[in-house]
Amino acid sequence: SQELEQSPQSLIVQEGKNLTINCTSSKTLYGLYWYKQKYGEGLIFLMMLQKGGEEKSHEKITAKLDEKKQQSSLHITASQPSHAGIYLCGAENSGNTPLVFGKGTRLSVIA
Amino acid sequence: KAGVTQTPRYLIKTRGQQVTLSCSPISGHRSVSWYQQTPGQGLQFLFEYFSETQRNKGNFPGRFSGRQFSNSRSEMNVSTLELGDSALYLCASSELAGGLNEQFFGPGTRLTVL
Repeated sequence: SQELEQSPQSLIVQEGKNLTINCTSSKTLYGLYWYKQKYGEGLIFLMMLQKGGEEKSHEKITAKLDEKKQQSSLHITASQPSHAGIYLCGAENSGNTPLVFGKGTRLSVIA
Repeated sequence: KAGVTQTPRYLIKTRGQQVTLSCSPISGHRSVSWYQQTPGQGLQFLFEYFSETQRNKGNFPGRFSGRQFSNSRSEMNVSTLELGDSALYLCASSELAGGLNEQFFGPGTRLTVL
C-alpha cells in the first residue's frame, strides 16, 4: 500500500522567514493534495497537483510535484503567525482509491 | 453554501458502549468519506459512500460501520467501544466519487472513550 512520509515532523520558524515542507511517496502519485489543519479542527484544502513538474501558488504558499511524481514540496514565503498549523499531504495512487495521508508537519511561527 | 457539518462535536463514552456520529455534506455533494485521526496513526481512511453505496472501505474492524441516506447525509457507528477508538473523526464531502475531486472536510467529532 502507498505510504507518505513528511519531513520535517515539526518546524519552528521566525516570522518573516521562508520554509519548506516535503512529502515523499513510496509509489507514483496519481494526485497529491495539500491541506492545512488547525489543532483539533477539520482540514482546509490548499492545493492539488497532478502533473509531473506542476507548480501551483496561492498567496504566499507554493507547492510543486516533481517530474517523477513521487515527491512534493510546500514552500511558504515570508511566514506569518496565520501560517501556523499542521500541514498534511494526501495522495491517490489511482482514480478509485481513497486518499492516504502523511503524518503531518506541525508549523509554529514565532514573532 | 454551508460547509460540511458534523454532530456532535464532542462525545465521551465508556468502553463497551456504542456511538453514532453524523455528517451532513455540502449541498449537492453526493460523496462522503470518513477518516479517523489519532496522534499515533495520523489520518486514516474509514470508508467512502456515494449515492448510498459504500465505494471503498479502509482497514478497520467490523465494529466500524456506516451508511448514507438518500439526502447524502451519512452516519458512522462504532460498536463495543475500546479505549483505542478515542480519536478525532472527520468526514469529508465531494461532488463526485473517484479521483481528483477536492474533498471538503468538516470540523470533526472528538470521541473520548473512558
